[in-house]
Amino acid sequence: AQSVTQLGSHVSVSEGALVLLRCNYSSSVPPYLFWYVQYPNQGLQLLLKYTTGATLVKGINGFEAEFKKSETSFHLTKPSAHMSDAAEYFCALGGNTGKLIFGQGTTLQVKP
Amino acid sequence: DTEVTQTPKHLVMGMTNKKSLKCEQHMGHRAMYWYKQKAKKPPELMFVYSYEKLSINESVPSRFSPECPNSSLLNLHLHALQPEDSALYLCASSQDRGLAGYNEQFFGPGTRLTVL
Repeated sequence: AQSVTQLGSHVSVSEGALVLLRCNYSSSVPPYLFWYVQYPNQGLQLLLKYTTGATLVKGINGFEAEFKKSETSFHLTKPSAHMSDAAEYFCALGGNTGKLIFGQGTTLQVKP
Repeated sequence: DTEVTQTPKHLVMGMTNKKSLKCEQHMGHRAMYWYKQKAKKPPELMFVYSYEKLSINESVPSRFSPECPNSSLLNLHLHALQPEDSALYLCASSQDRGLAGYNEQFFGPGTRLTVL
């Protein structure tokens, strides 16, 4: 069975601080992994994706994620948080039935 | 055009009403999806259309009826809904159904539905 676990339902950082959102996955087949962001009252926007190849993936808005097979992780980072980064973040796994398997989400709060 | 559009943005309906949600994409995608999302929760898959045919129904109650008139359009017909059906309804599309799991899905802004 495939699954995604996001550690920490709520993360709070100060503006300018490092953002680290954690995602672990379980998959019996090579995983395809995605990070989505959702701003209040909006749809989901793709931040970045890992399919194959380079394990360090760069996305939009200064975010990046590193695929670590040995740790079954795909953590999302950004060196310096901005107030506009406050949102809900979802890690997702491309399932082998064509479905996206979502984690429970992490709310990122950015304090001035 | 890399956008998925949804109308209406907001919808309030009574339990006896019939209404429809509309979704449109012009990216040439051949898979389209309906999701239901409650506050602070991940989207829950409802239906998947692949090449205009219904390929997945996640045991959704029959008061929700999807329709795919053509490859660019997806409708969700609503009838006799319950207050607990109030949620954000999201449409998404992808290049195809991506049984290998590599196709990202592009989401629309959603329709905020309130059932009174």
